[in-house]
Amino acid sequence: DAGVIQSPRHEVTEMGQEVTLRCKPISGHDYLFWYRQTMMRGLELLIYFNNNVPIDDSGMPEDRFSAKMPNASFSTLKIQPSEPRDSAVYFCASSFPPGQRNTIYFGEGSWLTVV
Amino acid sequence: AQSVTQLGSHVSVSEGALVLLRCNYSSSVPPYLFWYVQYPNQGLQLLLKYTSAATLVKGINGFEAEFKKSETSFHLTKPSAHMSDAAEYFCAVSAGGYNKLIFGAGTRLAVHP
Repeated sequence: DAGVIQSPRHEVTEMGQEVTLRCKPISGHDYLFWYRQTMMRGLELLIYFNNNVPIDDSGMPEDRFSAKMPNASFSTLKIQPSEPRDSAVYFCASSFPPGQRNTIYFGEGSWLTVV
Repeated sequence: AQSVTQLGSHVSVSEGALVLLRCNYSSSVPPYLFWYVQYPNQGLQLLLKYTSAATLVKGINGFEAEFKKSETSFHLTKPSAHMSDAAEYFCAVSAGGYNKLIFGAGTRLAVHP
């Protein structure tokens, strides 16, 4: 069974360029999460969706960041324009609805470097 | 609001020694607690979780954790470390369901021969 699939795995871009990170959640999961990991701030929840609808985007750092989920099997996180301080690992995760037996599954991350 | 504090950003043990990684939480409601492991250049993998059932939780790879409400702790242990346990470990808390995991800063475990 395929896990959460993220692309690209690694990206190096110049400051000011647009960056789009992609995520395919596990089939059947109706919760999708975007996390960012940095040395300074650790793991931060940016936004999460339920049934393709954004539920909580309070972690999105600023207007340069946007996330969409056009259907149940695809989500994007876009940064426009990118800045060096956006360099981080971005994780996508998915799960079934909250409950005692459910687990949040993480993808392998997208390593972003903005120079 | 929920929060997690992991004591010790780096822990080093000898192969075969006890592993103890400390986690204290803060939550205004009964929490769900998790330990995740991250191997180099990989995503996070769930080790174990506490969801208000048994206070002693057993996970994968021989790890276990005990929920102690009086101490607001959820420390991770393994009786005998293996070289393959070298990784970063994250404690996380969620209240009111699994919607939002709040992670600790992580503890990097080194295992030496």
